[in-house]
Parts: sequence; structure tokens; C-alpha cells
Amino acid sequence: EDQVTQSPEALRLQEGESSSLNCSYTVSGLRGLFWYRQDPGKGPEFLFTLYSAGEEKEKERLKATLTKKESFLHITAPKPEDSATYLCAVQSSSNTGKLIFGQGTTLQVKP
Amino acid sequence: NAGVTQTPKFRILKIGQSMTLQCAQDMNHNYMYWYRQDPGMGLKLIYYSVGAGITDKGEVPNGYNVSRSTTEDFPLRLELAAPSQTSVYFCASSTTAKGADTQYFGPGTRLTVL
Repeated sequence: EDQVTQSPEALRLQEGESSSLNCSYTVSGLRGLFWYRQDPGKGPEFLFTLYSAGEEKEKERLKATLTKKESFLHITAPKPEDSATYLCAVQSSSNTGKLIFGQGTTLQVKP
Repeated sequence: NAGVTQTPKFRILKIGQSMTLQCAQDMNHNYMYWYRQDPGMGLKLIYYSVGAGITDKGEVPNGYNVSRSTTEDFPLRLELAAPSQTSVYFCASSTTAKGADTQYFGPGTRLTVL
């Protein structure tokens, strides 16, 4: 069964304190791994898609990496505006179009 | 482009009432999805559609129905609302890039059933 687990559930950082969020997955053939950002009361906002182990993508202070079993979202020198819930999802080769989501990591960055 | 739009934003229903959640996209995407999000539970797929006239069940379809008569619209129907259907509902649509479908989400509908 395809499964996604994110850790930690919640993370509090001081502004400028770098850290990483983890997304562990089991899937029968990975078509893609997705990272989304979700602000309170809003829909998920697409950040990255990773397709194969070893791939990395960056956007401002965020960098996503992928191995065969997990993905990391590295946040470098975060700012308060990076506070949000970060969602990880996988799409398997056997379930075209369907995403399996993790529970999310809620990040709070204090000034 | 407006992207994915959803109406209404908020709704309170009484047990047993019915309603339709509206979803529209203007990106000419073939794939559309309905998810529900409960606190601490992540997003669960209710129904999805791969094109006009084609729909299929997701992980949690009981108590819901969908139709897809056009590429742009994908309404979700709740019949005989129950308290267990209290949730936030998100519609999404997708395009295909490199074989993986990037889904774009609407702003959501917050539904309370009392």
C-alpha cells in the first residue's frame, strides 16, 4: 500500500535558524514526489516536483531533495513569512493522477 | 487565468440536507479531483475525473457523487449530509509533465454539518 509519513508534525524555529523537514514514502513505482505549501484557510500551493532519486530543486530559501525512500525540504535562514504547513505527496506509476498525501509539517518561524 | 475556483467558501448544513459544491478551472486541464481535509489527517481523495464524462472513486467516496459534463466544471454533490462530512473540501486540476501530474488546488470550501 502506498504511504507517506511526514516528520516532525510541528517545528518551531527562530528567524535565521536553518532546518529540514522529512517525508518518508513507500510506493509501488514512483512517478513523482510533490511538495506543497499551505497557509491557514487557503488551498495547497505547489512548490516542487521531484521525479527520481538524486534530484534536487530550489526556490528562494527552500531546497527539496529526493532519495529512494525519503525526501527532505531544507529551509535555509527562514523568515517569519515561511511559516505555513508543508505537505508532501507521492504519485505512483500504478495510480495515474492520484496523489497520496502525508499529514503535513506545520512550521512556525519566530522573529 | 483564475486557475481553480470554488464556491461557496463557507456553508453550514443541517443533517439530512443536500448541497452541491462547485469547482471550475480555466487551464484546460483534463484531470480534476475532489479532496477533503480533516485536522491532522492530510488530504483524502473523494472522486476524480480524467475527462468530460469520465469519473471514478477515490479513497473516501461514500456519501458523495460527482459529474463531469464539461472540461471546465466538476461539481461535488452531497446527499443527506451527516456530521462526518464536516470538513474542508478542495478541488484540484492537473496537467501532465514528464509523466507526473502536477495538481493545482482551489481555495477550498469549509463545510459544517450540524
